[in-house]
Amino acid sequence: AQSVTQLGSHVSVSEGALVLLRCNYSSSVPPYLFWYVQYPNQGLQLLLKYTSAATLVKGINGFEAEFKKSETSFHLTKPSAHMSDAAEYFCAVSESGGNTGKLIFGQGTTLQVKP
Amino acid sequence: DSGVTQTPKHLITATGQRVTLRCSPRSGDLSVYWYQQSLDQGLQFLIQYYNGEERAKGNILERFSAQQFPDLHSELNLSSLELGDSALYFCASSVGPGGGSYEQYFGPGTRLTVT
Repeated sequence: AQSVTQLGSHVSVSEGALVLLRCNYSSSVPPYLFWYVQYPNQGLQLLLKYTSAATLVKGINGFEAEFKKSETSFHLTKPSAHMSDAAEYFCAVSESGGNTGKLIFGQGTTLQVKP
Repeated sequence: DSGVTQTPKHLITATGQRVTLRCSPRSGDLSVYWYQQSLDQGLQFLIQYYNGEERAKGNILERFSAQQFPDLHSELNLSSLELGDSALYFCASSVGPGGGSYEQYFGPGTRLTVT
């Protein structure tokens, strides 16, 4: 069965600093992986997705993630944090290699950006 | 705005009661998903419908049921409510039946409070 682990429930960075949010997955089949962002009192917004086309995936708002099969990781990065990046971030894997739409989410990482 | 609408935004009800949450998917999307977000369990997949038929089932309680209507909107029915059912319930939609290539667009959620 697929699963997702996000390392660190809270990450704090200074404005302008590198953002690194960690995600490790477990999957018996080639996975489809996603990063979503949730701003306060809002729904989830897709940042980016990995579907095996390229290991380095670029998303919206300057975020990118690299799929590393050997490390079973899909960490999210952004070179320079903005105050507006403060939100909760979720890593997710699509179950069964995409035969259904079921997404399995990690526990989430709250990103705090300090001025 | 994802194009997915959910009503109501907030719902406060008492234990033992029954409520219905409604979701309208994005125009053209055939799949509807329901997720529950709580502090204890995080984001959990409940159920998926594709073009009116149940496609996948997750950790959905027997007290909960859902359906997708011919116009593709969906309803999630929660009955015999318990305090632990208090959560944010999200609806998402996608074009196709699978989760790999088909992005899921999330609605703003319905916050259910059971007193």
